[in-house]
Amino acid sequence: EVQILETGGGLVKPGGSLRLSCATSGFNFNDYFMHWVRQAPGNGLEWVAEVRNKKNNYATYYAASVKGRFTISRDDSKSSVYLQVNNLRAEDTAIYYCTSLLDYWGQGVMVTVSS
Amino acid sequence: DIVMTQTPVSLPVSLGGQASISCRSSQSLVHRDGNTYFHWYLQKPGQSPQLLIYRVSNRFSGVPDRFSGSGSGTDFTLKISRVESEDLGDYYCLQSSHFPLTFGSGTKLEIK
Repeated sequence: EVQILETGGGLVKPGGSLRLSCATSGFNFNDYFMHWVRQAPGNGLEWVAEVRNKKNNYATYYAASVKGRFTISRDDSKSSVYLQVNNLRAEDTAIYYCTSLLDYWGQGVMVTVSS
Repeated sequence: DIVMTQTPVSLPVSLGGQASISCRSSQSLVHRDGNTYFHWYLQKPGQSPQLLIYRVSNRFSGVPDRFSGSGSGTDFTLKISRVESEDLGDYYCLQSSHFPLTFGSGTKLEIK
C-alpha cells in the first residue's frame, strides 16, 4: 500500500522558516520525480517545486514565487522528500501537498504564516 | 509562464447528465519530445487531488470510462457522461510540458 505522509507544518511568523518533510513507502521512490504543490485556503492548486531522480542528477525546479526562499531536496535512502521554506510571507499560507504528480498525493500539511 | 484558462468556473449538472470542461493554454503544450503533458484532476471536498486523465486522453487506473479527455496543442476538453454524485468536486487541468508547471483555476461541478 502506498503511503505519503507530510509533516512539519504549523504556525510561523512572517520571515520565519519551516522544514516540511514527506515520508513515502509502497512504491519505487527512487524512480520518481517528486513535487510540492500548495493550495491557499479557498483557492486553487499551485505548483511549488520539483526534484528529479538520481538518473536526472537530482535537478530541481521552482515556481518564481518561491525561488530563492524555498529549497526542495530528497533522501532516497529514506524514500523522503523535503521542502525548506524560509523568509515566509502571509501569501505562503496554504496546505502543502507532497506528490509524484501523476500517481500519488499525500494528505497535505498546513502552513500558516501570521503575526 | 503558460496561462491555463479553464472554463466554466462553475458547472451545475443533473445526475445522469453530461458535463464538459474546457482548458486552453496560452501556448502549445507539445513538449520537445513530441508528447503533450496535459492532465486532469478531481479534488473531492476535503480530499487531496486525484488524477483522472494523463497526457490528454489516458484514463488513470480505476477511473471509470465515463470520463474522457481530448484535445491537442492549446485546446483540451474533459467530458463526463452519466454524472454521478461521486463526481462532484473541483476539477483542475495541469500542464507539465513547460516550466513552471501551471494549473487551471478550477471548475466546481455541482448538482443542478
